[in-house]
Amino acid sequence: DSGVTQTPKHLITATGQRVTLRCSPRSGDLSVYWYQQSLDQGLQFLIQYYNGEERAKGNILERFSAQQFPDLHSELNLSSLELGDSALYFCASAHRDSAGYEQFFGPGTRLTVL
Amino acid sequence: AQSVAQPEDQVKVAEGNPLTVKCTYSVSGNPYLFWYVQYPNRGLQFLLKYITGDNLVKGSYGFEAEFNKSQTSFHLKKPSALVSDSALYFCAVRPMGGNKLTFGTGTQLKVEL
Repeated sequence: DSGVTQTPKHLITATGQRVTLRCSPRSGDLSVYWYQQSLDQGLQFLIQYYNGEERAKGNILERFSAQQFPDLHSELNLSSLELGDSALYFCASAHRDSAGYEQFFGPGTRLTVL
Repeated sequence: AQSVAQPEDQVKVAEGNPLTVKCTYSVSGNPYLFWYVQYPNRGLQFLLKYITGDNLVKGSYGFEAEFNKSQTSFHLKKPSALVSDSALYFCAVRPMGGNKLTFGTGTQLKVEL
């Protein structure tokens, strides 16, 4: 158990809908990262927050947004969902925003868009 | 732009034999390198990292990796494979001072009896 929690574990929804994925980092970790894992794209970095502020953006679509709250939990919002958004979404946390700190991954949320 | 290549989609070894999972990288400046393992329906678990210092890094579950700057490689190794090592292995790179961790496409390791 990495100490990172993600809810829900599974999510099934329809095209055009909006969903929110939630992540709680390990105790004491200030950085939160979101990743998308799919068969065709592999593991893709989406976005990073550090202590409530956006720190880095990766391959995140404009239909997706995220935020980190004062208690350091984070939410990833996915809107106008398409079939291609079906994937495993991971949250990871790290103690600091330094390249040398390893990231600890949550169990993921499996999103299925029908 | 940084990138990671894992040239083998799958590696098969017999239990008790040594294993190697290959990784090469491309990054501007000095790299921080990581190996993660993913078991079915689970998140990624950190195995080991190279930051600086000794080129041979030891990690969890008996795994080690060797950093080779001239060949820009960071191969994962284990002297004696176990069936329970069968999983998906990811190599990742992050440049010193950079924010983005870039993963390879993963290598499926299968250890057979």
